[in-house]
Amino acid sequence: EDKVVQSPLSLVVHEGDTVTLNCSYEVTNFRSLLWYKQEKKAPTFLFMLTSSGIEKKSGRLSSILDKKELSSILNITATQTGDSAIYLCAVEARAGGTSYGKLTFGQGTILTVHP
Amino acid sequence: NAGVMQNPRHLVRRRGQEARLRCSPMKGHSHVYWYRQLPEEGLKFMVYLQKENIIDESGMPKERFSAEFPKEGPSILRIQQVVRGDSAAYFCASSPPNAGTVGEKLFFGSGTQLSVL
Repeated sequence: EDKVVQSPLSLVVHEGDTVTLNCSYEVTNFRSLLWYKQEKKAPTFLFMLTSSGIEKKSGRLSSILDKKELSSILNITATQTGDSAIYLCAVEARAGGTSYGKLTFGQGTILTVHP
Repeated sequence: NAGVMQNPRHLVRRRGQEARLRCSPMKGHSHVYWYRQLPEEGLKFMVYLQKENIIDESGMPKERFSAEFPKEGPSILRIQQVVRGDSAAYFCASSPPNAGTVGEKLFFGSGTQLSVL
């Protein structure tokens, strides 16, 4: 059975701090790893990673995949209170030569940023 | 272009009643997925549907739960004879056909919070 584990489960920081969120996975027929931000409503897409060692960046957020270690990290620099949310990691697997939106999610990391 | 629409946002049911959750996919999307999020847990896949077809229901409990996506109208997730353990947030997602690597083309609705008294 596919499995995704995130750490830490929760994190409390102050504005301006840098945080690193971790995600490790065990999945058959890996296709991609995704990061989402969830703020009491719909998870919103942040990054999709398919290749090892290539950093994806969007403003203060960045992420990288290590397929050898079966893991990924999400970095947030100069955190702001608006970054407070649950960050979800998910993996997408191939199924019979194709893939579809059957994602396996980790339990999430609750990030709280204090002013 | 409206996003994935779910209703109701909140649903309260007493034990033994039926719950019907609705999901209208994004325009142009013909693939619908239902996920459940229990308190302090990640999202768990339940079912994947295309118009009039259930493609993968491996995450659906065998009893009391059913899903449909008719030719016309929204997708419906139905839970019969609800129990307290069914209390959760139910999210719907949709993707376009022939999406290849689906991940970044998957869009989630805001969810329905089901509370069973």
